[in-house]
Amino acid sequence: EVRLLESGGGLVQPGGSLRLSCAASGFTFDTTAMGWVRQAPGKGLDWVSVITGAGGGIYYADSVKGRFTISRDNSNNMVYLEMDSLRAEDTAVYYCVKRADTTYFDFWGQGTLVTVSS
Amino acid sequence: DIQMTQSPSTLSASVGDRVTITCRASQNINRWLAWYQQKPGKAPKILIYKASNLESGVPSRFSGSGSGTEFTLTITNLQPDDSATFYCQHYNNYPLTFGGGTKVEIK
Repeated sequence: EVRLLESGGGLVQPGGSLRLSCAASGFTFDTTAMGWVRQAPGKGLDWVSVITGAGGGIYYADSVKGRFTISRDNSNNMVYLEMDSLRAEDTAVYYCVKRADTTYFDFWGQGTLVTVSS
Repeated sequence: DIQMTQSPSTLSASVGDRVTITCRASQNINRWLAWYQQKPGKAPKILIYKASNLESGVPSRFSGSGSGTEFTLTITNLQPDDSATFYCQHYNNYPLTFGGGTKVEIK
């Protein structure tokens, strides 16, 4: 059974930093692209970032490029999202997602809430 | 960047109805389109991939069609459990983008 468990969300001040983690299980992790999708309160889905299985391919939405860093630890089946220079508009539930090959997102975690506010 | 436009943003229908949601891409995405269902307080769930392929375990009353720039998600014999928000998403290239969502309400 595929499981994705996010952690690390919370309240942070504007300009601050936060690191999200995603623990994955139930599939061959090191050959699977992973990513993050966020959803602001009451709004739609917003793609954030993707990292390929070996970590050699990394992609970001323009809105987070230069501020967020995605990484993975294939030894421990973990994906991370390091978020710096956080803004109020980064407030959202952040979902860890698994990609089916290099295509759609076939599994989603339950999400972790990040609130950027003073 | 490819923009994804869904319509309508909200629809209300009765149990047993057939409903159709449209998703338009700002440029050709071939058939690289997915549909997701999201219920309140829950994570989205994949329904359809590559425009018309039903994900395993998804009821056959859901179907998808289209290619290029115009796509549809159809729900036949609408059920109370189908009350949710539906999103399209292209995966033709980066950046990946989602449509704005269609909220389906049951009368």
